[in-house]
Amino acid sequence: EDQVTQSPEALRLQEGESSSLNCSYTVSGLRGLFWYRQDPGKGPEFLFTLYSAGEEKEKERLKATLTKKESFLHITAPKPEDSATYLCAVPGPNNAGNMLTFGGGTRLMVKP
Amino acid sequence: DTEVTQTPKHLVMGMTNKKSLKCEQHMGHRAMYWYKQKAKKPPELMFVYSYEKLSINESVPSRFSPECPNSSLLNLHLHALQPEDSALYLCASSAGTSVYEQYFGPGTRLTVT
Repeated sequence: EDQVTQSPEALRLQEGESSSLNCSYTVSGLRGLFWYRQDPGKGPEFLFTLYSAGEEKEKERLKATLTKKESFLHITAPKPEDSATYLCAVPGPNNAGNMLTFGGGTRLMVKP
Repeated sequence: DTEVTQTPKHLVMGMTNKKSLKCEQHMGHRAMYWYKQKAKKPPELMFVYSYEKLSINESVPSRFSPECPNSSLLNLHLHALQPEDSALYLCASSAGTSVYEQYFGPGTRLTVT
C-alpha cells in the first residue's frame, strides 16, 4: 500500500533559523512527488514537482530535494510569512496519475 | 495564469437545503477535481472529471452530486447534508490525467447546521 509520511508534524522556528521538513514514501516506481504550501482556510498552493532521485528545485528560501525513499524541503533563513502547513503528495494509490496521496503535513510556525 | 476560482467563499446551510458550489478554471486543463478537507487533515479526494466525464468517484454519498457542464466549469450540488459534512471544499485542476501537478482553488468553507 502506498504511504506518505511527513515529519515533524509541527515545527517552530525562530526567524532566520534554517531547517528541513521530511516526506518519506513507499511507492514503487515513483512517477513524481509534489510539494504544496497551505495557509489556514485556503487552498494548497503548488510549489514544486520532483521526478527523479537527485533532482533539486528552488524557490526563494525553499529548496526541495528527492532521494529514492524521501524528499526534503529545506527552508533557509525563514521569515514569519513562511508560516504555513507544507504538504507533500505522490501520484496514487498505485501510481494513478490523476489521484494524489497526501502526507499528513508539517505545520511550520516562524516567530519573529 | 494558474488560477482556479471557487464560489461562494463561505456557505451556511441547513440539513434540508439544496445548494451548489461552483469552480472555474481558464488554463485549458482537462482534468478537474473535488476534494474535502477537515481541520488539520490533508485533502481527501471526492471526484475526478477527465475530459468532462466523471472518471473517479471515491465512494462519496449521493447527497453530493458533481456536474461538469463544460471543460472550464465544475459544480458540486449539495442536498440533505449532515453536520459532519461541514468542511473546506476544494476544487483543483490539472493539465491531464497523467502525472501532472494539480492547482487548487481557494476553497468554500461549508457549515451545515
